Amino acid sequence: NAGVTQTPKFQVLKTGQSMTLQCAQDMNHNSMYWYRQDPGMGLRLIYYSASEGTTDKGEVPNGYNVSRLNKREFSLRLESAAPSQTSVYFCASSELAGPGSFIYEQYFGPGTRLTVT
Amino acid sequence: DAKTTQPPSMDCAEGRAANLPCNHSTISGNEYVYWYRQIHSQGPQYIIHGLKNNETNEMASLIITEDRKSSTLILPHATLRDTAVYYCIVRDDKIIFGKGTRLHILP
Repeated sequence: NAGVTQTPKFQVLKTGQSMTLQCAQDMNHNSMYWYRQDPGMGLRLIYYSASEGTTDKGEVPNGYNVSRLNKREFSLRLESAAPSQTSVYFCASSELAGPGSFIYEQYFGPGTRLTVT
Repeated sequence: DAKTTQPPSMDCAEGRAANLPCNHSTISGNEYVYWYRQIHSQGPQYIIHGLKNNETNEMASLIITEDRKSSTLILPHATLRDTAVYYCIVRDDKIIFGKGTRLHILP
């Protein structure tokens, strides 16, 4: 039982390049999340998926797209990377989420450290 | 915006109880209080959550005031491995992390 896995662990991009961050969970959770964390800051929610087939914007969605490929996988895409997107990206999953729902505890992956030059 | 207020940092002697406060004066009746921690460079780790009653698990205890406007996370016997940033979160539609409290355990 690996929990939440993320690939790659590290990535360096040039401005304007695109890439996809991958996330998978093996806990049969319905909900998945993408966060970014900048130095000295807390986590900020980029996008989340309350259940398979749905996605919603978080606090800082601009410059990102997501795909909930199936129940296990939730990917984050940067179409045209910018230096402002240099950050550590965390994926998380939980049992339930969404308006009116009790949010169970979230389980986080180890993070992807992205540098855009 | 985060709906909670926490001190930016705290110190605690190793072996003593660490008491981390959190103010959440605008909490509504059905919102839960969650605590997570983040050890350097790792993903956040769930610790505990509660609604009205005090809660205890193998990691910590959570004390919520009767008016629910504040809470305290208690690590009963702090060790050096408890050095981390601790986040107090009030459940909204989405979990919003603030800046948390950086807890330093002093040997």
